[in-house]
Amino acid sequence: EPEVTQTPSHQVTQMGQEVILRCVPISNHLYFYWYRQILGQKVEFLVSFYNNEISEKSEIFDDQFSVERPDGSNFTLKIRSTKLEDSAMYFCASSSSGVSPLHFGNGTRLTVT
Amino acid sequence: EDQVTQSPEALRLQEGESSSLNCSYTVSGLRGLFWYRQDPGKGPEFLFTLYSAGEEKEKERLKATLTKKESFLHITAPKPEDSATYLCAVRASGGSNYKLTFGKGTLLTVNP
Repeated sequence: EPEVTQTPSHQVTQMGQEVILRCVPISNHLYFYWYRQILGQKVEFLVSFYNNEISEKSEIFDDQFSVERPDGSNFTLKIRSTKLEDSAMYFCASSSSGVSPLHFGNGTRLTVT
Repeated sequence: EDQVTQSPEALRLQEGESSSLNCSYTVSGLRGLFWYRQDPGKGPEFLFTLYSAGEEKEKERLKATLTKKESFLHITAPKPEDSATYLCAVRASGGSNYKLTFGKGTLLTVNP
């Protein structure tokens, strides 16, 4: 069964450094998403991406965050200058349409020290 | 603002002891209610989508139902391998709104 893959599985970085989280969505999916989950808290929406542009973003997704689909298969989340409070599990997801379910990867655990 | 409230926060069952999880929602217009299962350290795994009140979906020991205000996930004769966090999420209708809004989840533990 096709799946969403994310790399790396764990990333440790120092405060103020830039990080790029990578995702390969399911190949025939057209809608892409990033979510995060702080330990013990709920899964929170960051951004959705369709037709090569951001379709919606949350208040969390400020100027320090950006997304890109650099080629036909990858979808990336960049955090320009990481803060301690960015420590969380980051999930990538994709869906085939705007009404179909999201399929999630197993996440990247980001630890900012 | 879309809101999803799940109860209980945690539930312990004995193997074979059936029960239900609740998901109450407030959304401007429902374009789908979704149930996911999440194991520790993993991403949410899709279980069901419900689109309209009265709809039911079933998979093995799980059955999801939907009303205009809430959804239930019924677990019949659970096994220890059903232990996980069960997440409910809604998608609101309108424009370019594709995101899902999640509840905090119900942590289910099934003891042998």
